[in-house]
Amino acid sequence: AQSVTQLGSHVSVSEGALVLLRCNYSSSVPPYLFWYVQYPNQGLQLLLKYTTGATLVKGINGFEAEFKKSETSFHLTKPSAHMSDAAEYFCAVSDTTSGTYKYIFGTGTRLKVLA
Amino acid sequence: DSGVTQTPKHLITATGQRVTLRCSPRSGDLSVYWYQQSLDQGLQFLIHYYNGEERAKGNILERFSAQQFPDLHSELNLSSLELGDSALYFCASSGTANYGYTFGSGTRLTVV
Repeated sequence: AQSVTQLGSHVSVSEGALVLLRCNYSSSVPPYLFWYVQYPNQGLQLLLKYTTGATLVKGINGFEAEFKKSETSFHLTKPSAHMSDAAEYFCAVSDTTSGTYKYIFGTGTRLKVLA
Repeated sequence: DSGVTQTPKHLITATGQRVTLRCSPRSGDLSVYWYQQSLDQGLQFLIHYYNGEERAKGNILERFSAQQFPDLHSELNLSSLELGDSALYFCASSGTANYGYTFGSGTRLTVV
């Protein structure tokens, strides 16, 4: 069975500092990996995805993530945090074989950006 | 606007009642997924429909059912509601490739 672990339910960074949100996955088949962001009272918005190919993927709003198979990780980073990045971030994994692209989501990391 | 429309946005109802949540997928998307988001369970996959056919079931209670109609909109029916069913219910749609869902803004259900 697939699973996702997000380390740190709450992360605080200063404005302008590096953002690092951690995600580790478990999958018996090549995974597809996703990061989503959720702002208060809104739905989830896709930030970036890894399917195949280049392991460093760039997304919207200056975020990027690197797929590391040996470490089963897909950590999300942004070089310089902005106040508007404050939100909840979810990592998700889906399998590529079952004919349904259901996603397993992590428990989320709430990012707080300090002025 | 993501292109996925969910109605209603808010719903308050009493225990034991039945409600229907509606989702219209993004134009051209054949798949609809339903998820429940609660504080204690996080985001839980409920069910997936593709072009009118059920494709996968997750942690969906027997009191809950769903369907997808020929025009591709989907409805999630929740019956014999309990206090613990209070949650945000999201639908998401996708195309035939696995390039990420587009989520609706959700229906917040409060059972009192």
